[in-house]
Amino acid sequence: AQTIHQWPVAEIKAVGSPLSLGCTIKGKSSPNLYWYWQATGGTLQQLFYSITVGQVESVVQLNLSASRPKDDQFILSTEKLLLSHSGFYLCAWSRTGGDTLYFGAGTRLSVL
Amino acid sequence: GEKVEQHESTLSVREGDSAVINCTYTDTASSYFPWYKQEAGKSLHFVIDIRSNVDRKQSQRLIVLLDKKAKRFSLHITATQPEDSAIYFCAADYNNAGAKLTFGGGTRLTVRP
Repeated sequence: AQTIHQWPVAEIKAVGSPLSLGCTIKGKSSPNLYWYWQATGGTLQQLFYSITVGQVESVVQLNLSASRPKDDQFILSTEKLLLSHSGFYLCAWSRTGGDTLYFGAGTRLSVL
Repeated sequence: GEKVEQHESTLSVREGDSAVINCTYTDTASSYFPWYKQEAGKSLHFVIDIRSNVDRKQSQRLIVLLDKKAKRFSLHITATQPEDSAIYFCAADYNNAGAKLTFGGGTRLTVRP
């Protein structure tokens, strides 16, 4: 069975500080990987997706970047956090494009 | 790009009644329409989907209808139960490579005992 693990569960960070969020998928080779952001009480905004190692497509940057250093790992990062980065970050995988998304448990980020 | 509008931001039904959530989309190229459920404070999980080659799909108490001419799709939950209470998101995939999904704003469904 496939599992998806996100870390950390929650973060409280200062404006201007760096951030790194991670996601690991086990039990599925070459998954499509995605980062989504959800503002409190809001809808989901797709940030990035990756079809293969080393390749990441940006959908909406929001002063964030993403990388896929390994087949099963997806990293979201920034060097300088903004207040507007607060929210719920969700990693997801799918077998192919246009297929069911399986979401991780998410990371709650508060930027103060 | 694609825009997905979810018409009901909140919906309250009595236990045992049906709930209907409606969504419209703008891009005629969209061909995949999934629905996701988010319980309070949690992540999303998939509930049902429909593809553009059919206009109806059912999975137990869930029915999805698709009207391509009107660019509208809907989720029907029959015989609602308290555990159906959650936020439901519709989505449309407008990129035929399948890697881009646009979500609606969400509908908070409350099932009253």
